[in-house]
Amino acid sequence: KQEVTQIPAALSVPEGENLVLNCSFTDSAIYNLQWFRQDPGKGLTSLLLIQSSQREQTSGRLNASLDKSSGRSTLYIAASQPGDSATYLCAQTGANNLFFGTGTRLTVIP
Amino acid sequence: NAGVMQNPRHLVRRRGQEARLRCSPVKGHSHVYWYRQLPEEGLKFMVYLQKENIIDESGMPKERFSAEFPKEGPSILRIQQVVRGDSAAYFCASSPLIQDLNTEAFFGQGTRLTVV
Repeated sequence: KQEVTQIPAALSVPEGENLVLNCSFTDSAIYNLQWFRQDPGKGLTSLLLIQSSQREQTSGRLNASLDKSSGRSTLYIAASQPGDSATYLCAQTGANNLFFGTGTRLTVIP
Repeated sequence: NAGVMQNPRHLVRRRGQEARLRCSPVKGHSHVYWYRQLPEEGLKFMVYLQKENIIDESGMPKERFSAEFPKEGPSILRIQQVVRGDSAAYFCASSPLIQDLNTEAFFGQGTRLTVV
């Protein structure tokens, strides 16, 4: 059974800090790994997509890595800002759908 | 190119009524996925559809829930005889083909169903 786990469930950091969010998955036969952001009461915004043949993707202050052998992905946020406060979800692409973790709720304190 | 459009954004139903949730995928996308998000929980897969076909409904409750994606028009998630436990946010995603190495899944803003 595919499972995706995100630790920690919640994280508070002061503005300006660099931080890492973790995602673990049980099925090594993944297609893609996708990171999303969800603001309270809103939908999901795709942040980064890492194809299974890739090791990392970067967009602005965000960098996502993928290590299939250990079943892990990390999302690195540099120089965090209060506007980064949201829930971050990772999702592993399976045969027919995306399997989501339960998310990490990030609060960046001004 | 409009993204995934879901309507209504908010829906209130009394217990026993029917709820119909609509999802229009990104233009050109032929694959639609429905997910449910309960308060303070992650997204749970419900059903995967292609035009006129249900491919995987392993996440759908056995009773009261149904989904379709007709040749023309939006995908519909239908919940009959709603109960309080059906209150959740329902998200729709679309992609050209989720297994394609180059595709992302794009999500709508969701429909928040409240059963009173």
